[in-house]
Amino acid sequence: DGQLVESGGGLVQPGGSLRLSCAASGFTFRTYDMHWVRQTTGKGLEWVSAIDTAGDTYFPVSVKGRFTISRDNAKTSVSLQMNDLSAEDTALYYCARASFRRGPFDLWGHGTLVTVSS
Amino acid sequence: EIVLTQSPATLSLSPGERATLSCRASQSVDNYVAWYRQKPGQAPWLLIYDGSVRATGVPARFSGSGSGTDFTLTITSLEPEDFAVYYCQHRFTWPLTFGGGTKVEI
Repeated sequence: DGQLVESGGGLVQPGGSLRLSCAASGFTFRTYDMHWVRQTTGKGLEWVSAIDTAGDTYFPVSVKGRFTISRDNAKTSVSLQMNDLSAEDTALYYCARASFRRGPFDLWGHGTLVTVSS
Repeated sequence: EIVLTQSPATLSLSPGERATLSCRASQSVDNYVAWYRQKPGQAPWLLIYDGSVRATGVPARFSGSGSGTDFTLTITSLEPEDFAVYYCQHRFTWPLTFGGGTKVEI
């Protein structure tokens, strides 16, 4: 049914940048909208970005202007560029596939941990 | 943004019992609510979407109902693997949001 594998997480200082990647396999990647969802202990699950099959992107207010999402259909991958990071961005970041417009998320990766700390 | 409120925060039950979980939206989301189960150390797993449609591979003991602002996830007979955290999520409009979760514990 498919697999998603995230990478790129790590420790970054406040104000720094990080780029996450998600490698997809086992399904027709170009036909699915792709999302990033993060999870913190205190705030639960939070949707952070989406890119549809046309390349249009969507973000919540909390990350708009700081995060960008992109996809490479030839490499079946999606990336999340995160800039101006703060402690509030510390979370486990999941890549997720959407079944339809805006969800639901029927395939998830295992997540990659981002820690923002000095 | 649409706020999803889940209740109760914690549900203490025994294997074989029935679980009823609630998700209330701050405004109508039509039927565009999904439910996920998350076990410790794992990613969420899609159970129900569009209010009442079971996802592929989901056992029949899981059912969803509701529309508008009030939604329910019912587990008719709890199995050991069902003791986990459950989240609802809407896809009615941007931004997408999740509820705060209900922990089903033994």
